[in-house]
Amino acid sequence: DAGITQSPRYKITETGRQVTLMCHQTWSHSYMFWYRQDLGHGLRLIYYSAAADITDKGEVPDGYVVSRSKTENFPLTLESATRSQTSVYFCASSELGQGANEQYFGPGTRLTVT
Amino acid sequence: DAKTTQPTSMDCAEGRAANLPCNHSTISGNEYVYWYRQIHSQGPQYIIHGLKNNETNEMASLIITEDRKSSTLILPHATLRDTAVYYCIGYFAGNMLTFGGGTRLMVKP
Repeated sequence: DAGITQSPRYKITETGRQVTLMCHQTWSHSYMFWYRQDLGHGLRLIYYSAAADITDKGEVPDGYVVSRSKTENFPLTLESATRSQTSVYFCASSELGQGANEQYFGPGTRLTVT
Repeated sequence: DAKTTQPTSMDCAEGRAANLPCNHSTISGNEYVYWYRQIHSQGPQYIIHGLKNNETNEMASLIITEDRKSSTLILPHATLRDTAVYYCIGYFAGNMLTFGGGTRLMVKP
């Protein structure tokens, strides 16, 4: 299906485990983003990517690793999960242009770290 | 990016216009105003954006004051499905979006 998808939609893991959240978009958008949203709060940018093999830190990158070997995929890895990383994670994609930042968001992954 | 200030919550009757205000008194001349909304448990959804002129699309209208220090998002005929958190964001081209707390709009029957 066209659009942006995330997997898994729900994940429970234990402290110290490595977890990878997947994001896939079919629009061939150049930019992709990872946000986290803690209960009752707004979104915070973790990492973003302007193109394949180009990534950059956002507001809260510590504890996360990203890669982008293909334009359509942007996985987010928690190398050693902590309880503070319990959150809802949203992936987004966009074609940034002059004044344009219309981001299209995935459905989210709800991650619980026990 | 300009700091934006929005009311924490608002109510609106179904079928009536919902007018959501946003103050951005420190906005710069080339800084856009973006609006997104987030329906419960879903990813945010782009609504509309503008620079100086008022804008309208199939979802909403955006009215920006002449001094650009504030704007209003208008949903002309609110439905129950418009119940969501609405984010007003000041955006410089090339920067990243910064989502604040937003306004929780409750559309009531």
